[in-house]
Amino acid sequence: AQSVTQLGSHVSVSEGALVLLRCNYSSSVPPYLFWYVQYPNQGLQLLLKYTTGATLVKGINGFEAEFKKSETSFHLTKPSAHMSDAAEYFCAVSESTGFQKLVFGTGTRLLVSP
Amino acid sequence: DSGVTQTPKHLITATGQRVTLRCSPRSGDLSVYWYQQSLDQGLQFLIHYYNGEERAKGNILERFSAQQFPDLHSELNLSSLELGDSALYFCASSVEGLYGYTFGSGTRLTVV
Repeated sequence: AQSVTQLGSHVSVSEGALVLLRCNYSSSVPPYLFWYVQYPNQGLQLLLKYTTGATLVKGINGFEAEFKKSETSFHLTKPSAHMSDAAEYFCAVSESTGFQKLVFGTGTRLLVSP
Repeated sequence: DSGVTQTPKHLITATGQRVTLRCSPRSGDLSVYWYQQSLDQGLQFLIHYYNGEERAKGNILERFSAQQFPDLHSELNLSSLELGDSALYFCASSVEGLYGYTFGSGTRLTVV
């Protein structure tokens, strides 16, 4: 069975500081990995995804994530936080075969202070 | 607008009642997934339909059922509602499930 662990239910940063949201996964087969963002009272929006190929993937709004197989990690980063980045972020994993469901982590709420 | 439409946005109902949540997938997407989001359990996969056929079931209660119609819209039926069923219910669609979903904005169900 697949699982995702997101370290830290809340992360606080100052505007302009580096954002680092941690995600570790467990999968018995090569995984596909995703980061979603959820703004208050909205649905989940896909930020970026890793399927195959380049392990450093770039997404929307200046976010990027690196797939590290040896560490079973897929941490999300952004060099400089903006106030508008305040939201809940979810890491998810799916198997790379068939119509597999996404398994989500518990989420990390990012707080950005001026 | 993600292209996935969920109605209603909000629903308040009493315990023991039955409700139907509706989802219209993004144009061209054949797969529909239903998820429940609650504070204590996070995002839980309920059920997946592909082109009218049930493909996978997750943590879906027997009181809950779903279907996908020939026009590809889907309905999630929740019956004998309990207070603990209060949650956000999301529908998502995809061409295939491998490359991520597009989520709707959800239906917030409150059972009183």
